[in-house]
Amino acid sequence: QVQLQESGPGLVKPSETLSLTCTVSGGSINSFFWSWIRQPPGKGLEWIGYIYYSGSTNYNPSLKSRVTISIDTSKSQFSLKLNSVTTADTAVYYCARSMAARLYSYGMGVWGQGTTVTVSS
Amino acid sequence: QSVLTQPPSASGTPGHSVTISCSGSSSNIGSNTVNWYQHLPGTAPKLLMYSNNQRPSGVPDRFSGSKSGTSASLAISGLQSEDEADYYCAAWDDSLNGHYVFGTGTKVTVL
Repeated sequence: QVQLQESGPGLVKPSETLSLTCTVSGGSINSFFWSWIRQPPGKGLEWIGYIYYSGSTNYNPSLKSRVTISIDTSKSQFSLKLNSVTTADTAVYYCARSMAARLYSYGMGVWGQGTTVTVSS
Repeated sequence: QSVLTQPPSASGTPGHSVTISCSGSSSNIGSNTVNWYQHLPGTAPKLLMYSNNQRPSGVPDRFSGSKSGTSASLAISGLQSEDEADYYCAAWDDSLNGHYVFGTGTKVTVL
């Protein structure tokens, strides 16, 4: 079965760029929608955005100016870049795969375990 | 700030039922289907319900979902201790070029 694993620095300085990678194993990255979601400490889930395997993207309007999601199908990886971070970007970051190959509205059926990113000087 | 509003908490005794509400608007629940996620602290969220009332494989039929107008509900019957978790509704929102939104979350406590 498909598994997702997030990786990247656990500590990022304010004003710098947060970069995370999600590695897909046990299945093909060449279909489905691939997403990033985060959960700040003590708060709820926040959708960051998705990338379709073909490369099309959609982002949370509140983060759109700072977010880039990209995909490398040759490595079975997709990535998140969030620039100009502040302490408000401290959160557990999850990567996830859509439930359905062609419908995002069915939600995210496979999730990574999450990785904690702290923004601090 | 989430556009889908849920009660902060809900509780019930083992074997009984609890229902969680999710209130949205015409741009999200009113025109798109609703999904529900279960989230235990320290673990990955789990898709519990999709397309309003469809359970992914492996989700017990104790969980049921419904939608009416701009609101949705998740019902848990035969409450078990392992159901103690945070629950989030979610839906696609057609505003601002379209984006996915989560609810504010409900903490379910099994008394």
